[in-house]
Amino acid sequence: QSVLTQPPSASGAPGQRVTISCSGGDWNVRNYYVNWYHQVPGGVPRLLIYKDNLRPSGVPDRFSGSKSGTSASLAISGLRSEDEGDYFCAAWDDSLREGVFGGGTKLTVL
Amino acid sequence: QVQLVESGGGVVQPGKSLRLSCAASGFDFKTYSLHWVRQAPGKGLEWVSVISYNAAYTYYGDSVKGRFTISRDNSDKRLYLQMDSLRGDDTAVYYCVRPREGGGWYYPPSLDFNYWGPGTLVSVVS
Repeated sequence: QSVLTQPPSASGAPGQRVTISCSGGDWNVRNYYVNWYHQVPGGVPRLLIYKDNLRPSGVPDRFSGSKSGTSASLAISGLRSEDEGDYFCAAWDDSLREGVFGGGTKLTVL
Repeated sequence: QVQLVESGGGVVQPGKSLRLSCAASGFDFKTYSLHWVRQAPGKGLEWVSVISYNAAYTYYGDSVKGRFTISRDNSDKRLYLQMDSLRGDDTAVYYCVRPREGGGWYYPPSLDFNYWGPGTLVSVVS
């Protein structure tokens, strides 16, 4: 059972917008930065969003992050086939004094 | 360019030990904290451990606390993970990862990993 809760799956048609949630608590999401990763099958995770809503260079602006209270979200607009894969949120948990990842959300582009 | 390359994985029996190594290049190694993240087959990501740039601070995930030890050699630009009392649920690909920014130790450690090694597979089987 992950400390950060994500829906196991999400889907959308090409061109549509999807959002993936990451629910935590006061000891992690509310008070510490949330980061998002994308992993394609057989690949290494790639940083998509850091510090809640910042994009590393090279990440398209179709990807955006937000946070409110104990919940964070990743939004992907203009869905493309290459967006398929697993998405993970991550944050520090100050109660556990360790890093925590969400369980991951498998995105399917219909 | 930044490179992280893990080694030392393999097949090991429960209760035995293994030492992973991560060779780094392309950045000022001694100024960055470094982490280990693992992924069991078909499962999600699990944070394992972090070590500060000067090895003064270390933190561990609850599932490995007391069994794993993270260390580093700044002169050799290597990160290590000593894994003792291995269990079946330690079976995973282990990634050496680097956060975006270095330049000191700040709590809490950043989990914004923009560089990952290819990973090394550890299989714990009897």
